[in-house]
Amino acid sequence: SQQGEEDPQALSIQEGENATMNCSYKTSINNLQWYRQNSGRGLVHLILIRSNEREKHSGRLRVTLDTSKKSSSLLITASRAADTASYFCATSVSGNTPLVFGKGTRLSVIA
Amino acid sequence: DAGVIQSPRHEVTEMGQEVTLRCKPISGHNSLFWYRQTMMRGLELLIYFNNNVPIDDSGMPEDRFSAKMPNASFSTLKIQPSEPRDSAVYFCASSPRTLSSGGRVTGELFFGEGSRLTVL
Repeated sequence: SQQGEEDPQALSIQEGENATMNCSYKTSINNLQWYRQNSGRGLVHLILIRSNEREKHSGRLRVTLDTSKKSSSLLITASRAADTASYFCATSVSGNTPLVFGKGTRLSVIA
Repeated sequence: DAGVIQSPRHEVTEMGQEVTLRCKPISGHNSLFWYRQTMMRGLELLIYFNNNVPIDDSGMPEDRFSAKMPNASFSTLKIQPSEPRDSAVYFCASSPRTLSSGGRVTGELFFGEGSRLTVL
């Protein structure tokens, strides 16, 4: 069963705009990760944020984590057509379990 | 490094046939995961190995599914007999992190390009 749930399921924006995707999860976590999947391809790791961190940046990506609300957000600034993909959050829960993925947000960036 | 290599990329077979999917993890990675992706259920973890040993196979849907990792550079996922509901994209992923102290898998995953299985 999914631990993380992304919102929205689909998002369509114009090139140059910012894209924000949210992830909510149910149980305590060790870390939360975001992945990107281009159509017909495998998932690619974007960024990892640990449970004791609140914000992390990587290039045009900004991830926040609110453990009190059990939620995370991924912000892509100045989006490009090449950012069109599905984005997944994945959580590593406390204990002896591997990553559990949400169903993803499908982002379309229109040139 | 070539990344995680999966084969075949596409497989079309008839119900009842045996299907074998193959995976070569990134050299030096000691954790390997098999996931299945469908539109309805998203990404589901089927089984994972640590240092070639199966750790948790509770995600394997039925006895028709089996997975092996005979050495650090090769794993197989077998479905016998296959059924139409097994149609999905099967991903293999590897991770450079072992279970950390306390038994937590915390590292990022490196995915292969997937094997798209269609069972008619």
